Amino acid sequence: GQQVMQIPQYQHVQEGEDFTTYCNSSTTLSNIQWYKQRPGGHPVFLIQLVKSGEVKKQKRLTFQFGEAKKNSSLHITATQTTDVGTYFCAGGDNFGNEKLTFGTGTRLTIIP
Amino acid sequence: SQTIHQWPATLVQPVGSPLSLECTVEGTSNPNLYWYRQAAGRGLQLLFYSVGIGQISSEVPQNLSASRPQDRQFILSSKKLLLSDSGFYLCAWARQGDFTEAFFGQGTRLTVV
Repeated sequence: GQQVMQIPQYQHVQEGEDFTTYCNSSTTLSNIQWYKQRPGGHPVFLIQLVKSGEVKKQKRLTFQFGEAKKNSSLHITATQTTDVGTYFCAGGDNFGNEKLTFGTGTRLTIIP
Repeated sequence: SQTIHQWPATLVQPVGSPLSLECTVEGTSNPNLYWYRQAAGRGLQLLFYSVGIGQISSEVPQNLSASRPQDRQFILSSKKLLLSDSGFYLCAWARQGDFTEAFFGQGTRLTVV
């Protein structure tokens, strides 16, 4: 079945440093979504990418969807303590079955 | 506006006891519904999803089952809980066909003792 992996699993950064998480799917995705889960909370939607090679920005966050639609990345510039949490990618496959598979997640901690 | 309700928030159950977690969605019709499990510090494992009443797709062979008796109601059950069933269970809904966004409930933290 479809597998979606993320690296790294954990990332500790000094406040103000940049952070990147990478998402790789075993199969081609119809779209990629990114979510953020604060400690003790539930995942909250950040953004969706649909087109091959698409790049979207939200303030300090930059999202990319790979040309082959099998990988994606999230880059945060100049991290802040409010960025703490686990970031998940999630993808729909191309088989029309409405399945939404989440990646393994990257937990970001910020050192003040 | 749409809302999703999931209860209870926390649950402690003995091994071998039954389980029933309920999730309901308001403000939308014919949603896709999902059950995920998250082990401590881990990712989200898709357990079941449903595209309509009575239609359940199971992703992982396990001790759990799901049912969708009404359009906006999704139930996760077990006849006999195992220790390994402990985790954070999340229900989610999404609009059919466009994969724009999944909305999650607050989650149920289940501890099997």
